[in-house]
Amino acid sequence: NAGVTQTPKFQVLKTGQSMTLQCAQDMNHNSMYWYRQDPGMGLRLIYYSASEGTTDKGEVPNGYNVSRLNKREFSLRLESAAPSQTSVYFCASSPRGGSYNEQFFGPGTRLTVL
Amino acid sequence: GIQVEQSPPDLILQEGANSTLRCNFSDSVNNLQWFHQNPWGQLINLFYIPSGTKQNGRLSATTVATERYSLLYISSSQTTDSGVYFCAVAPGGYQKVTFGTGTKLQVIP
Repeated sequence: NAGVTQTPKFQVLKTGQSMTLQCAQDMNHNSMYWYRQDPGMGLRLIYYSASEGTTDKGEVPNGYNVSRLNKREFSLRLESAAPSQTSVYFCASSPRGGSYNEQFFGPGTRLTVL
Repeated sequence: GIQVEQSPPDLILQEGANSTLRCNFSDSVNNLQWFHQNPWGQLINLFYIPSGTKQNGRLSATTVATERYSLLYISSSQTTDSGVYFCAVAPGGYQKVTFGTGTKLQVIP
């Protein structure tokens, strides 16, 4: 039982390049999330997927797209990377069973955009 | 959106000391979690506690939902407790979770 996994762990991009961050969970959770964490700050929600087949914007969605590929996988795409997107990206999942909605986080992807 | 404030922002403790971290939120919530982010950046679940009191070893947490705050107690602190402690909340029926800005704890030997 690996929990939430993310790939890659580190990535360096040049301005304008594109890339996709991958996230998978093996806990049979319904909901999945993407966050970014900038230095010295808390996490901010980019996008979330309440259930398979649905996605919604969070607090900072501009410059990102997401795909809920199936129940296990939720990817985050940067179409044209900008230096302002340099950050650590975390994926999370939660069961969303009734009122219980505890989130579990992956190890993060450290992205640098030059 | 909901506002989440954590205090104190920074805390330095001698090993063995006790501490209380506070999380205030501006609206009613049905989802509240405490996390520890260790120096390597990993987010560790401490408590899922939308209301009531829970204990896990040297750590305990209390949420008073009607008064919109939660407290995290750390007793007999150890150097491995160092890192940043976050609370995260979500209002009733929503998936949008808001994180506080954290309390940075340093425990010195």
